[in-house]
Amino acid sequence: QITLKESGPTLVKPTQTLTLTCTFSGFSLSTSGVGVGWIRQPPGKALEWLALIYWNDDKRYSPSLKSRLTITKDTSKNQVVLTMTNMDPVDTATYYCAGVIPYYFDYWGQGTLVTVSS
Amino acid sequence: EIVLTQSPATLSLSPGERATLSCRASQSVSSYLAWYQQKPGQAPRLLIYDASNRATGIPARFSGSGSGTDFTLTISSLEPEDFAVYYCQQRSNWPRYTFGQGTKLEIK
Repeated sequence: QITLKESGPTLVKPTQTLTLTCTFSGFSLSTSGVGVGWIRQPPGKALEWLALIYWNDDKRYSPSLKSRLTITKDTSKNQVVLTMTNMDPVDTATYYCAGVIPYYFDYWGQGTLVTVSS
Repeated sequence: EIVLTQSPATLSLSPGERATLSCRASQSVSSYLAWYQQKPGQAPRLLIYDASNRATGIPARFSGSGSGTDFTLTISSLEPEDFAVYYCQQRSNWPRYTFGQGTKLEIK
C-alpha cells in the first residue's frame, strides 16, 4: 500500500521560509522511474505544480517559482523536502505531495494547509 | 509553457445523465494528458492517464479520448459520487507539468 503524508508549519509569516516534508511508504525513491512532486492549491482555486525530484536526483521546478524553491530527498528515510523562500500571503494554499510512478501523479498525500499571515 | 483550457467551467447535470468535459491544449501534447477528480476536502485522484487509459480501480463509466490539442472526459451515466471538480494535466512539456483550471460538475 502506497501512502504519502505532508508535514510542516500551518502558519508562516511573510518573508519567512517554508519547509515541508513528505514522508512516504510503499515505494522507494531509489527505483528507476519513480519521482515525488509537490502541488499546491489556493483556497477555491486550481492546482499548481511546484517541483519534482526523481530517483536519480534529477530536479525540476515550475518556471514561475524556480528562484524560490528547493527540493531534496532522503532515500533512507523515505522523505522529500520542499523549501520555499520569501513567503507571501498569496502563497496561502493546501500543499500536496504526490508520487509519480512513473509519469503522472498516481498517489497523493492528504495535503497540508499553509497560511501566510503576520 | 503549455496552457490547458477546460470547458465548461461548471456543468449542471442530473444523476444518470452523460457528462462530457473538454480540455484544450495551447499546443500539441500528443497523448500525454491525464484527468483527475477532486471532491471537497480531498486530494485529487488520478482517473485517466495518457488520454484514454483508466487508472487502477476506476469504474468503466469513465472514459477519455483525444490527442494533440483536444481531449474529452466522458462519464457515461452519472452516479451521485461523481459530482466533483475535474482537472486535466499534461506531461508533454516534460517535466514541466501544467494543470487546467478545472470543471465543476454539479447536481442539477
